[in-house]
Amino acid sequence: DSGVTQTPKHLITATGQRVTLRCSPRSGDLSVYWYQQSLDQGLQFLIHYYNGEERAKGNILERFSAQQFPDLHSELNLSSLELGDSALYFCASSVETKQRGTDTQYFGPGTRLTVL
Amino acid sequence: QQPVQSPQAVILREGEDAVINCSSSKALYSVHWYRQKHGEAPVFLMILLKGGEQKGHDKISASFNEKKQQSSLYLTASQLSYSGTYFCGTALSGGYNKLIFGAGTRLAVHP
Repeated sequence: DSGVTQTPKHLITATGQRVTLRCSPRSGDLSVYWYQQSLDQGLQFLIHYYNGEERAKGNILERFSAQQFPDLHSELNLSSLELGDSALYFCASSVETKQRGTDTQYFGPGTRLTVL
Repeated sequence: QQPVQSPQAVILREGEDAVINCSSSKALYSVHWYRQKHGEAPVFLMILLKGGEQKGHDKISASFNEKKQQSSLYLTASQLSYSGTYFCGTALSGGYNKLIFGAGTRLAVHP
């Protein structure tokens, strides 16, 4: 158990709908990262938040948005869902030290999204 | 920008060794190695920083060749529990902690 929690574990919805995925980082971690993993694919970086501020963006679609709240939990909002959005969505957290690129990212158990 | 991992898949018998490589065309600040079992979260193995260091954890070790922008993960005397998909995540200089992951190497260890 990494200490990172994600809810819900599974989500089944229809095309065109909107869903919200939630992530609570490990105690003391200020950074949250979101990744998308499609079937048997690698991890695609979506977005990184540090202490409430957006730090970096990856290949995140305009239909997707995220935010990190004052209590440091984060939400990933996916709208106008398409069949191709079906995937495992992971969040990870890290302390984020001053030495960039050296923080260990601890992954949550993921949310499996199925779009029908 | 995505690092290239090789081989794509490896099949081993218990006790055999394997090497997984991760190469980048960009200057790297660090390389992070993870193992993921099917349907589960990636689990952190180790970080290699630029400077060519080598790290080890039990019978799993790794090296980072800064000149070649390449990292290698060494699995010795493999155990059944080593089965899974291994990913390298690369952090570029000036890229904060954004990690770009390779496509993964599937490792299957059989008795």
